[in-house]
Amino acid sequence: DVKVTQSSRYLVKRTGEKVFLECVQDMDHENMFWYRQDPGLGLRLIYFSYDVKMKEKGDIPEGYSVSREKKERFSLILESASTNQTSMYLCASSGRQGYGYEQYFGPGTRLTVT
Amino acid sequence: AQSVTQPDIHITVSEGASLELRCNYSYGATPYLFWYVQSPGQGLQLLLKYFSGDTLVQGIKGFEAEFKRSQSSFNLRKPSVHWSDAAEYFCAVGAGGRRALTFGSGTRLQVQP
Repeated sequence: DVKVTQSSRYLVKRTGEKVFLECVQDMDHENMFWYRQDPGLGLRLIYFSYDVKMKEKGDIPEGYSVSREKKERFSLILESASTNQTSMYLCASSGRQGYGYEQYFGPGTRLTVT
Repeated sequence: AQSVTQPDIHITVSEGASLELRCNYSYGATPYLFWYVQSPGQGLQLLLKYFSGDTLVQGIKGFEAEFKRSQSSFNLRKPSVHWSDAAEYFCAVGAGGRRALTFGSGTRLQVQP
């Protein structure tokens, strides 16, 4: 089975702190994604990566950056955390080349910024 | 651009009753279609998917979904709901040259004993 792990289940940070969320997948998948999930809004795509060192902006990239130095690892970075970034963050991966294939999700990181 | 609508924010059914969760999509051609389930505090688990072929798709946990092109719908069904089915359900679309999926806003299912 595909396994996607995220470094923390719960995280509490202060406004202005730099925050790193880590995601690791063990199935040699090419594509990795970061979403945030908020009540009533579903999942919104922040960034994704289709290869090592390659990234593309999603629908809501403002205030976030990403890093993919190794194929199995995809990091989401909040350069200066703000209270409106309090949310559930979900990482996903997909092994198919091309577009629109099924994604496998990690358990999520619930981030609270105070 | 594609979009997904789940008209029901919250549904309550009795245990043993049948279930249908609605999903409508907007896209010019036939997209790839998915249903995911999210238990409280967990990530999303794939229930089933439709790429092409038979429009009635079987998934895990006794769920099925039917693709209806004329109605742009992909509704999820289960003949008899169990208490463990209480969760949030997301419909998603893969289409339009976009690598990521587009998700609906979700339907929260509550199961009464």
